[in-house]
Amino acid sequence: AQKITQTQPGMFVQEKEAVTLDCTYDTSDQSYGLFWYKQPSSGEMIFLIYQGSYDEQNATEGRYSLNFQKARKSANLVISASQLGDSAMYFCAMRLSGGSNYKLTFGKGTLLTVNP
Amino acid sequence: DAGITQSPRHKVTETGTPVTLRCHQTENHRYMYWYRQDPGHGLRLIHYSYGVKDTDKGEVSDGYSVSRSKTEDFLLTLESATSSQTSVYFCAIKFTSGRSGELFFGEGSRLTVL
Repeated sequence: AQKITQTQPGMFVQEKEAVTLDCTYDTSDQSYGLFWYKQPSSGEMIFLIYQGSYDEQNATEGRYSLNFQKARKSANLVISASQLGDSAMYFCAMRLSGGSNYKLTFGKGTLLTVNP
Repeated sequence: DAGITQSPRHKVTETGTPVTLRCHQTENHRYMYWYRQDPGHGLRLIHYSYGVKDTDKGEVSDGYSVSRSKTEDFLLTLESATSSQTSVYFCAIKFTSGRSGELFFGEGSRLTVL
């Protein structure tokens, strides 16, 4: 069964610094996708970034980048130049490909606090 | 805005009573999902649907049933609510456009079972 592990329950970072949130995954499939979501204290789930298993380049979206290391099965989220508004819970998720069985499995999340 | 709404947004009920949560979408997306979120557990999939009358179980489906009689509505039913089902429930849809296939989530429904 696929599994997503986020080992950091909480992280702190100073405003304007970069931070890396860890995510490792376990699957024997060759085709899969990795996602990161942000959940601020208001509760909504916000999609941030996606990486496909066959993508050769690391995904980037503005200040977010995904450090994809396939051999190590890791998909860490890097947030550059942290802002106070980045304080939130962050979830890593994985989906496997194939037919109608399309679903995302989530990690337990990392609570990021950005200090002024 | 993917046009997804959940109702009710908040509900308090008593143990043993039936509860139905509704997820409504306006854009004809094929895939719909119900997740629950609990502290320390992240989001866990309860049930999902890949078309009208086509549903499947997720990892925490015990005590829950679902129905999808039309494309726009996906109902989650707790036949006899228990305190362990106190949670925040999120409905989600899968975007069909674009290559990433991310899920878009509703605002959540907070259920308290006393």
